[in-house]
Amino acid sequence: KQEVTQIPAALSVPEGENLVLNCSFTDSAIYNLQWFRQDPGKGLTSLLLIQSSQREQTSGRLNASLDKSSGRSTLYIAASQPGDSATYLCAVRPWNNAGNMLTFGGGTRLMVKP
Amino acid sequence: GAGVSQSPSNKVTEKGKDVELRCDPISGHTALYWYRQSLGQGLEFLIYFQGNSAPDKSGLPSDRFSAERTGGSVSTLTIQRTQQEDSAVYLCASSSDRIGNTIYFGEGSWLTVV
Repeated sequence: KQEVTQIPAALSVPEGENLVLNCSFTDSAIYNLQWFRQDPGKGLTSLLLIQSSQREQTSGRLNASLDKSSGRSTLYIAASQPGDSATYLCAVRPWNNAGNMLTFGGGTRLMVKP
Repeated sequence: GAGVSQSPSNKVTEKGKDVELRCDPISGHTALYWYRQSLGQGLEFLIYFQGNSAPDKSGLPSDRFSAERTGGSVSTLTIQRTQQEDSAVYLCASSSDRIGNTIYFGEGSWLTVV
């Protein structure tokens, strides 16, 4: 059974810092991995999707990397801003593309202090 | 529509009453997901619809929970005889195989059972 772990569970940084959020998964046979952010009281917003054949994806100040063989993905946030404060979740889709077997990590709660 | 739409956004109900939560997925998306998120907790899979296939109901916590998807579009999640432990945010998501399976979430329906 796939298990997805996100470390740290919570992170507090001063504004302007570059930071890395980690997502690890136990079964490397994946179809893709997706990063989301969730603001308090809101749904999940998709940030980046990495297919299993890709190594990284970039969107603005965000860069997500994938090392399938080691079961790891990182979300890099450059020049963090208070508006980046949210919970960040990763989700792994299994090799057979079965949507009912998506596995979410527990999330990293990020606070960026002005 | 432009995004996944859920209604109601907030619902307060008395213990023992039935509730219906509605999800309108992104037009053309064949896959629809329901998740539950209790306060401060991770995402709990409830049910998954994919096209005309039989839904995966393995995540429904009890027989008080049911869901249907009419015409391959709108879905309704029904909770009968609500209990206080049903209080949570119910999140709906949809995805399309044609665009890499990016999953898009709605804003959620916040259910409080008193």
